[in-house]
Amino acid sequence: AQSVAQPEDQVNVAEGNPLTVKCTYSVSGNPYLFWYVQYPNRGLQFLLKYITGDNLVKGSYGFEAEFNKSQTSFHLKKPSALVSDSALYFCAVRDMDSSYKLIFGSGTRLLVRP
Amino acid sequence: DAGVIQSPRHEVTEMGQEVTLRCKPISGHNSLFWYRQTMMRGLELLIYFNNNVPIDDSGMPEDRFSAKMPNASFSTLKIQPSEPRDSAVYFCASSRTSGAEGTQYFGPGTRLTVL
Repeated sequence: AQSVAQPEDQVNVAEGNPLTVKCTYSVSGNPYLFWYVQYPNRGLQFLLKYITGDNLVKGSYGFEAEFNKSQTSFHLKKPSALVSDSALYFCAVRDMDSSYKLIFGSGTRLLVRP
Repeated sequence: DAGVIQSPRHEVTEMGQEVTLRCKPISGHNSLFWYRQTMMRGLELLIYFNNNVPIDDSGMPEDRFSAKMPNASFSTLKIQPSEPRDSAVYFCASSRTSGAEGTQYFGPGTRLTVL
């Protein structure tokens, strides 16, 4: 069965420090991976995606993610966290049995303290 | 370019009433998705339309839920009759392509409370 896991419910980091939000996946074949961010009372905003090519993907708001096939991971990173980055982050993987379905992780709440 | 538009943003209703949620996808997108988000179940895909045609409604909870897409710029999700367990945030999303690489763009959501 295809799945995506976000092992941390919450990540705490000080402003200015690097941040990592973890995501691992399990799919058959080559994965299509996505990161979304959800601010309070807002919809999900697309951050970045990996389809093919360079393992390091750069996205919106200074975020990047590294695709690691051997570890089946797609961790979200940012070199220097901002208080405004505090939000709920979702990793998603394309369901390879259907070209349109996204399988979402449970979400990780990021808290950046001043 | 405007994003996905949803209305209303908040809806409070009483059990048994009919609820209609509305969505306007991004212009030029041919795929439309309705999702439901709850604390217990996370994000669930309810129904998927491609070129205004329902392709997958396997996520629709029961017959009380129905969705339509009469044209490329408008879709509705209707709950009749509504029940307290339907309380959730309902998102509409659209995508330019139905292909696997397509990115889904979400609207701001409708927070539904059924008393």
